[in-house]
Amino acid sequence: QQQVKQSPQSLIVQKGGISIINCAYENTAFDYFPWYQQFPGKGPALLIAIRPDVSEKKEGRFTISFNKSAKQFSLHIMDSQPGDSATYFCAASKEGNTGKLIFGQGTTLQVKP
Amino acid sequence: DGGITQSPKYLFRKEGQNVTLSCEQNLNHDAMYWYRQDPGQGLRLIYYSQIVNDFQKGDIAEGYSVSREKKESFPLTVTSAQKNPTAFYLCASTKRAGVGEQYFGPGTRLTVT
Repeated sequence: QQQVKQSPQSLIVQKGGISIINCAYENTAFDYFPWYQQFPGKGPALLIAIRPDVSEKKEGRFTISFNKSAKQFSLHIMDSQPGDSATYFCAASKEGNTGKLIFGQGTTLQVKP
Repeated sequence: DGGITQSPKYLFRKEGQNVTLSCEQNLNHDAMYWYRQDPGQGLRLIYYSQIVNDFQKGDIAEGYSVSREKKESFPLTVTSAQKNPTAFYLCASTKRAGVGEQYFGPGTRLTVT
């Protein structure tokens, strides 16, 4: 009930291509879904987040798509750049509660020049 | 600059020794969290504190202890009872538990031999 499953584990994309990372959750009480970006040896940084009242949120080249009925959400990186090479984590939580984030296993993205 | 500091960046200890990891924030956040990250895995919650002088166990608290005597500080002690202490440890905070973005520190890499 508390798991968040993320796929793929690793992804290689050519520069200019679209990177897509998927996550699925089980707990229907979750109402906050952030994506974090982490570079090697650094702490994760919030990239973009969505709440279930919208099906899509876009910030620059990054878009979250959210499917409440399927309990799935995904991150799309348009026009992927070598600087986007990092590990991406999806997460989920119930806002107004303890703030505990349940993280996916992570996806290592490599964007080839 | 506001943020979260963790020190040291790298820490080496012999097996059987307790070690304390520092986490300080000047964001005036009420809630603080400790996560453990292992290669190829998501972040797992060790302990969290919603307010000063209060803390709760996360998903993998065994072998760890914390204190929250000051709002800005949330140190984590890795005890000799922790069977696999070698990992990357991340501290995070939010303005209030369950509300808003969770900010992460740069992490401490602990190696126990």
